[in-house]
Amino acid sequence: GDSVTQMEGPVTLSEEAFLTINCTYTATGYPSLFWYVQYPGEGLQLLLKATKADDKGSNKGFEATYRKETTSFHLEKGSVQVSDSAVYFCALSDINKFYFGSGTKLNVKP
Amino acid sequence: DAGVIQSPRHEVTEMGQEVTLRCKPISGHDYLFWYRQTMMRGLELLIYFNNNVPIDDSGMPEDRFSAKMPNASFSTLKIQPSEPRDSAVYFCASSPKQGRGGYGYTFGSGTRLTVV
Repeated sequence: GDSVTQMEGPVTLSEEAFLTINCTYTATGYPSLFWYVQYPGEGLQLLLKATKADDKGSNKGFEATYRKETTSFHLEKGSVQVSDSAVYFCALSDINKFYFGSGTKLNVKP
Repeated sequence: DAGVIQSPRHEVTEMGQEVTLRCKPISGHDYLFWYRQTMMRGLELLIYFNNNVPIDDSGMPEDRFSAKMPNASFSTLKIQPSEPRDSAVYFCASSPKQGRGGYGYTFGSGTRLTVV
């Protein structure tokens, strides 16, 4: 069945460091892929998405590219800020289901 | 749009009491989902509705849990009787459609339930 696997956290970075959070997926067809962010005490918010191979989703300086050949959708940001500290969830949407990864906590230190 | 609205934001109740969580989805969204989030289990799908009809309730942990959607703008998740292990954050989410068309979910702010 479909699934999403993302790197375990927590990830701790200094401000202005480069961020990569890995996400790989398993699916039989061509799912849509998402990254969600959850700030402390809040619900999940859609950060970015991609619906087909080679699509790049971007928002607030974050980017992720839909790589079908490696079944990956890694989240990147060139320079993180303290305000980016949150839990990040990779997700997949297929015909009748939506699958979330287990979440990766990011801590950014000043 | 005001987004997905959940109430209450926080609920503290005693073991054995009935708890009702409420959700108002985004207007025009055909799908509504109830999730539970805990440190131990992460994010778990409890049940989801399509056009007010329950489609998959296989994630509902026990018969103590029930969910209804009497109309397109309102859903409830009820726990009766509540137990301490039900303590968690419960999220409601809605989506216009399911499938591969890039239809993401919009989540509410959640209800933090504490059963003492």
